[in-house]
Amino acid sequence: AQSVTQPDIHITVSEGASLELRCNYSYGATPYLFWYVQSPGQGLQLLLKYFSGDTLVQGIKGFEAEFKRSQSSFNLRKPSVHWSDAAEYFCAVPPGGSQGNLIFGKGTKLSVKP
Amino acid sequence: NAGVTQTPKFRVLKTGQSMTLLCAQDMNHEYMYWYRQDPGMGLRLIHYSVGEGTTAKGEVPDGYNVSRLKKQNFLLGLESAAPSQTSVYFCASRWGQANYGYTFGSGTRLTVV
Repeated sequence: AQSVTQPDIHITVSEGASLELRCNYSYGATPYLFWYVQSPGQGLQLLLKYFSGDTLVQGIKGFEAEFKRSQSSFNLRKPSVHWSDAAEYFCAVPPGGSQGNLIFGKGTKLSVKP
Repeated sequence: NAGVTQTPKFRVLKTGQSMTLLCAQDMNHEYMYWYRQDPGMGLRLIHYSVGEGTTAKGEVPDGYNVSRLKKQNFLLGLESAAPSQTSVYFCASRWGQANYGYTFGSGTRLTVV
């Protein structure tokens, strides 16, 4: 069965530093991959998605992610973190079939130090 | 354009009580989903619907029922609430197969005491 793993539960970075959040997937074919962000007390917002084509995907809020088939990874990056980026980040992949739902990783909580 | 609206936002129930969570979307989306979010567990799918009048079980359906009598509404029912159902519940919708991007509601925080 398809699955997604986020190895880091909690990451702390300094404001202005670069960020990389890890996501590894298990999928039989070329997957669709997603990153969502959840600010405290809010629902999830789509940051970016990969369907096919260029393996470097640009998203909102200055985020990007790179699909690496050889490593089964879809890591999220940002060159310079802002305090407002403090949130929880979820990687997701569809399990296949017609129901169209997403399987979410357990999330990585990002804290930003001043 | 409201998107996905969940009501109520907060609720405290006593064990054994029943309640219904309402999800309404105004985007004419075909697919709707109910997830629960628990610390360290990510989001887990409870039930989903691929169109008006259809429902199906997800990963953790026990103790919940759903109905989709109108395309814009997806109701999640708890017949006899248990403390294990204390969670934050999220509804999401999307238009169709070709676009997997969900629109999420802002959540319902439910506490069962």
